Amino acid sequence: DTGVSQDPRHKITKRGQNVTFRCDPISEHNRLYWYRQTLGQGPEFLTYFQNEAQLEKSRLLSDRFSAERPKGSFSTLEIQRTEQGDSAMYLCASSITSGRETQYFGPGTRLLVL
Amino acid sequence: ELKVEQNPLFLSMQEGKNYTIYCNYSTTSDRLYWYRQDPGKSLESLFVLLSNGAVKQEGRLMASLDTKARLSTLHITAAVHDLSATYFCAVGSNQFYFGTGTSLTVIP
Repeated sequence: DTGVSQDPRHKITKRGQNVTFRCDPISEHNRLYWYRQTLGQGPEFLTYFQNEAQLEKSRLLSDRFSAERPKGSFSTLEIQRTEQGDSAMYLCASSITSGRETQYFGPGTRLLVL
Repeated sequence: ELKVEQNPLFLSMQEGKNYTIYCNYSTTSDRLYWYRQDPGKSLESLFVLLSNGAVKQEGRLMASLDTKARLSTLHITAAVHDLSATYFCAVGSNQFYFGTGTSLTVIP
């Protein structure tokens, strides 16, 4: 039984560089979510896909952030021109349309921007 | 924007004691979720509450939902050390909003 996987698990980058994270959801799950979590806070919603369609995007998400989910399978989250304030844990979750919508979270990618 | 507040933010309790964590949210939501997060780990789903008056129990944890009061509670019965973690509530349907979490420490 494979859960949600994320790659890489850790990323250190310099300010101004671009980074890309990958999320592989549970195989039959049609919904995929990205969150950002900083220390001592709850996860902050970034964006949501149903199959390959990006249906929701947080107003807090700057234009430097973009996400894709080609073919409705894995997803990528790219951050362009990283800033120190982007340092956080980036969490991916997936769920299946069922009425319960229980989200299963991946282990996260911890980003540190120097 | 929907706001979710939890209290207390920090909770230290002795083994064997009971306590309740509260989750208030600002606008109507038809679903409420409880998650557990261990230090350095990701989130684990505990409960999904789908209707007013819903009550779910698993082991020493019991969650309830009052949609009219926009309030959910997570009750801990006879706490044990293994329950030490951070607990989050979340509401939403497509876009989800999480509380700031309650950091629970159970002391022997």
